[in-house]
Amino acid sequence: EADIYQTPRYLVIGTGKKITLECSQTMGHDKMYWYQQDPGMELHLIHYSYGVNSTEKGDLSSESTVSRIRTEHFPLTLESARPSHTSQYLCASSEGREGSYNEQFFGPGTRLTVL
Amino acid sequence: ILNVEQSPQSLHVQEGDSTNFTCSFPSSNFYALHWYRWETAKSPEALFVMTLNGDEKKKGRISATLNTKEGYSYLYIKGSQPEDSATYLCAVNSGNTGKLIFGQGTTLQVKP
Repeated sequence: EADIYQTPRYLVIGTGKKITLECSQTMGHDKMYWYQQDPGMELHLIHYSYGVNSTEKGDLSSESTVSRIRTEHFPLTLESARPSHTSQYLCASSEGREGSYNEQFFGPGTRLTVL
Repeated sequence: ILNVEQSPQSLHVQEGDSTNFTCSFPSSNFYALHWYRWETAKSPEALFVMTLNGDEKKKGRISATLNTKEGYSYLYIKGSQPEDSATYLCAVNSGNTGKLIFGQGTTLQVKP
């Protein structure tokens, strides 16, 4: 059983609100990732981190931001939520140095609805 | 941009049937391919990571093959059971990094 947690699991919120989606892992993994999935579509990488104080944008442009102050914690923030942000957000982590291709462990996801 | 295609998009089979799905990817600059199983209301779970042309991996009734020269991988399920019902995701590494590019998945429904 992977030890990666996301909260909340479901969030319904009004337009303009600031939200933070939490992701934590207890496996000591250096690499962490945020994916976004719209209904019927692929998982798209929106942010990743190779370690503390390292964050980069993924392949899909996102208005969200992330931080990595501690190894185990990788929160995602939306400063002003909009209906276009309605989606499922999954967090993942993996071990290994740069250039390795280890499996990623996924959290259960946060399903966000912005009204 | 790397494009990963999976087919079919969905599949309905009877319990006991064997089935297979396909994942296609660009054969140039290949590093690794991953298969994940994603059951409803659960987290995606890794099945296999494959890197070498001709790789074959097996876990119980599920197996996978990899052809990096022609850019495809097959996932086989022998004697499908209702608990195999899930979406099966294929992903390839984007360059020499840990970042993954996912296909849309194949959703399998196994009827008792």
